[in-house]
Amino acid sequence: EPEVTQTPSHQVTQMGQEVILRCVPISNHLYFYWYRQILGQKVEFLVSFYNNEISEKSEIFDDQFSVERPDGSNFTLKIRSTKLEDSAMYFCASDRQDYEQYFGPGTRLTVT
Amino acid sequence: SQQGEEDPQALSIQEGENATMNCSYKTSINNLQWYRQNSGRGLVHLILIRSNEREKHSGRLRVTLDTSKKSSSLLITASRAADTASYFCATDYLGGYSTLTFGKGTMLLVS
Repeated sequence: EPEVTQTPSHQVTQMGQEVILRCVPISNHLYFYWYRQILGQKVEFLVSFYNNEISEKSEIFDDQFSVERPDGSNFTLKIRSTKLEDSAMYFCASDRQDYEQYFGPGTRLTVT
Repeated sequence: SQQGEEDPQALSIQEGENATMNCSYKTSINNLQWYRQNSGRGLVHLILIRSNEREKHSGRLRVTLDTSKKSSSLLITASRAADTASYFCATDYLGGYSTLTFGKGTMLLVS
């Protein structure tokens, strides 16, 4: 069964560094998302992406964040200058336009 | 803003028993989805119920939706140790994009 994949599974970075989290959504899906979950807290929406542009973003998704679909398969989340509070599990998700979102296994980002 | 809120926060049952978790939300929705998360792992999609549906089944799962009460329930029948996980409801609001708002989850322990 097709699934969303994410790399790396764990990323450790120093405060102020740039990180890129990578996702490969399910191949026939059209909508792509990033969510994050700070340890012990709710899963929070960051951004949605459709037709090569951002369709919606939350207040969390400020100028430090950007997303890109550089080719037909990858979907990336970049954090330009990481802060301690960016430490979280980041999930990529995709759906076909039927609202049933499938999530990847997540990337655990640790900012030191 | 609308939220999904689950109760109970934690539920401990014996193998073979049924587990019922509830979710409430605040604003009108298009769909409600249930997800499972094993400790520190990814979110596994369980079931989606649309706002015009009242009940849906998938294997040992039964989901109900009451839009007049803005609530949903997830029933897991004949639970197994492997069902031990956190369960979340997630809603996408009517008239919006398909972004999901998650509740805090119910932690289910089956022993």
